[in-house]
Amino acid sequence: DAKTTQPPSMDCAEGRAANLPCNHSTISGNEYVYWYRQIHSQGPQYIIHGLKNNETNEMASLIITEDRKSSTLILPHATLRDTAVYYCIPRGARTGKLIFGQGTTLQVKP
Amino acid sequence: EAQVTQNPRYLITVTGKKLTVTCSQNMNHEYMSWYRQDPGLGLRQIYYSMNVEVTDKGDVPEGYKVSRKEKRNFPLILESPSPNQTSLYFCASSSWLLGETQYFGPGTRLLVL
Repeated sequence: DAKTTQPPSMDCAEGRAANLPCNHSTISGNEYVYWYRQIHSQGPQYIIHGLKNNETNEMASLIITEDRKSSTLILPHATLRDTAVYYCIPRGARTGKLIFGQGTTLQVKP
Repeated sequence: EAQVTQNPRYLITVTGKKLTVTCSQNMNHEYMSWYRQDPGLGLRQIYYSMNVEVTDKGDVPEGYKVSRKEKRNFPLILESPSPNQTSLYFCASSSWLLGETQYFGPGTRLLVL
């Protein structure tokens, strides 16, 4: 299983873009990069995932470097409700288990 | 509405008194899983099920049992709870299709005295 490195905490001003980095230098070729977040002990919430190409959905954008060793989750206009712990999780196709690291605690400030 | 439900949401019990935490999903997912979350240790998988009647151990299965008799339900059984099983528990489910997004329940907070 690939290991990940994320900054323990980050701050972001409300309305600004939040850019959350993740290093996954040992990711294997068939592993996707998944991003989840957990708001104050609620169940983790899926945000986005990708393999090689950049991805965008209604919640966020995911930028994956060409060598796939790192990625960045972008919340384009952070709100106070985006305050949460964000997890970057490499995961193989058709592998159910999610290995949660310590994640990044994002604090969105007014 | 697609969802994973867990019951109860909060439970206080005593050592040795058998309990069951139920988990149900309405998305016809094949895969279901239980995690526990503890401060400083993050979320760790307890048991998982690939489909009906197929279950397997995760990373921390000691002291737990599961069953998967129906596709929608995946109960977590603590036959003889101990204080070290005090934790926050999450059930999750996913399909092998649809990009395999895993959906989580709201959590069950368990205190074993």
